[in-house]
Amino acid sequence: AQKVTQAQTEISVVEKEDVTLDCVYETRDTTYYLFWYKQPPSGELVFLIRRNSFDEQNEISGRYSWNFQKSTSSFNFTITASQVVDSAVYFCALSGRGGGADGLTFGKGTHLIIQP
Amino acid sequence: NAGVTQTPKFRILKIGQSMTLQCTQDMNHNYMYWYRQDPGMGLKLIYYSVGAGITDKGEVPNGYNVSRSTTEDFPLRLELAAPSQTSVYFCASSQQVTYEQYFGPGTRLTVT
Repeated sequence: AQKVTQAQTEISVVEKEDVTLDCVYETRDTTYYLFWYKQPPSGELVFLIRRNSFDEQNEISGRYSWNFQKSTSSFNFTITASQVVDSAVYFCALSGRGGGADGLTFGKGTHLIIQP
Repeated sequence: NAGVTQTPKFRILKIGQSMTLQCTQDMNHNYMYWYRQDPGMGLKLIYYSVGAGITDKGEVPNGYNVSRSTTEDFPLRLELAAPSQTSVYFCASSQQVTYEQYFGPGTRLTVT
């Protein structure tokens, strides 16, 4: 069975601080995909990134960066110079065989609070 | 291009009532999914479909049914609603090749 663990239930930082959200996953699949989604207070789910298991390169998109380490089964997400608009619940998710045909396995989410 | 739409946005049901949550996507995606999100929890897969006429159970299918007669629509049926089905329901779709899922705005359902 697949599992995604986001051990940080809630993180609170002051604006402009850097913050890292942890994600640890378990799977028996050799091919899998990892995702991050953002759920702002309005409730919708916003796709942020998809990473396949064969690509361990880190990715940077503006203030967002992702660190994928297969050796530790982790896919961590860092926000640099955080802003109040980054306040949201962030979910890490994992898909397995069929590249998502069985749906995504989500972590419980990390509630990120950015204080002005 | 509306993406994934869901109706209704909110609904209150009495125990034992039935209802259908509607989901439509206009992206011509083959894959569609229903998830539920309980407070403080991640999303859990209820049912999914890989194309019209094909559906399969996810992690928490009990108390629900689905159908997929067209590529665009994937309704979720609740029969004999129970308080345990109080949740926020999300529909999602994905293109076969890229696999990121696009979510609808959600339906907040309360069963009392």
